[in-house]
Amino acid sequence: DVVLTQSPLSLPVTLGQPASISCRSSQSLVYSDGNTYLNWFQQRPGQSPRRLIYKVSNRDSGVPDRFSGSGSGTDFTLKISRVEAEDVGVYYCMQGTHWPRYTFGQGTKLEIK
Amino acid sequence: EVQLVESGGGLVKPGGSLRLSCAASGFTFTTYSMNWVRQAPGKGLEWVSFISSSSDHIYYADSVKGRFTVSRDNARNSVYLQMNSLRAEDTAVYYCARDLAPMGPGIWGQGTMVTVSS
Repeated sequence: DVVLTQSPLSLPVTLGQPASISCRSSQSLVYSDGNTYLNWFQQRPGQSPRRLIYKVSNRDSGVPDRFSGSGSGTDFTLKISRVEAEDVGVYYCMQGTHWPRYTFGQGTKLEIK
Repeated sequence: EVQLVESGGGLVKPGGSLRLSCAASGFTFTTYSMNWVRQAPGKGLEWVSFISSSSDHIYYADSVKGRFTVSRDNARNSVYLQMNSLRAEDTAVYYCARDLAPMGPGIWGQGTMVTVSS
């Protein structure tokens, strides 16, 4: 199976400051159709996961524009331009390229300093 | 509004069985594949099973293959997970999530807790 490795696993951030999470894949995530199926999820405390970003850099409906995704091949990044209190939670990357064996990163816990 | 509502979780003894259900509403169910994803207490997310829109493609994680069976009833807008020979390591919140493969799980339900303990 494809292994996704996130870093850091813990991310203390001051309100209003930027944050960045890395996700590295053990294999290329470029699919046969030319797309790269790398998604990012947010899981707030006590809630279900919510998809923020799909296909590397596309924001889901209702996701604030302070969230952005980038990357290619095996290296990807989720950035939050200015962290707000509601951003506290765990963030996961997920690959769909090698479906149906979807795999997730270990998760990065974002907290406010 | 798109909704996925899981039910059927509970406490079961090792070796026992449980059947989870997921009721979908607010979208054309027959357009989407469906997944089950689980999350052990305090742990990350683990994909469990996939079923295509017409049930002609079904897949399982190695950790549950031979013990779990996924099915769907398009007339009832529902997907199911029959879990047999349950083990302590199956203890988790189980989420259903809709999918347009290879996009992967998009919208998720609220989850149902399964606890396997004597």
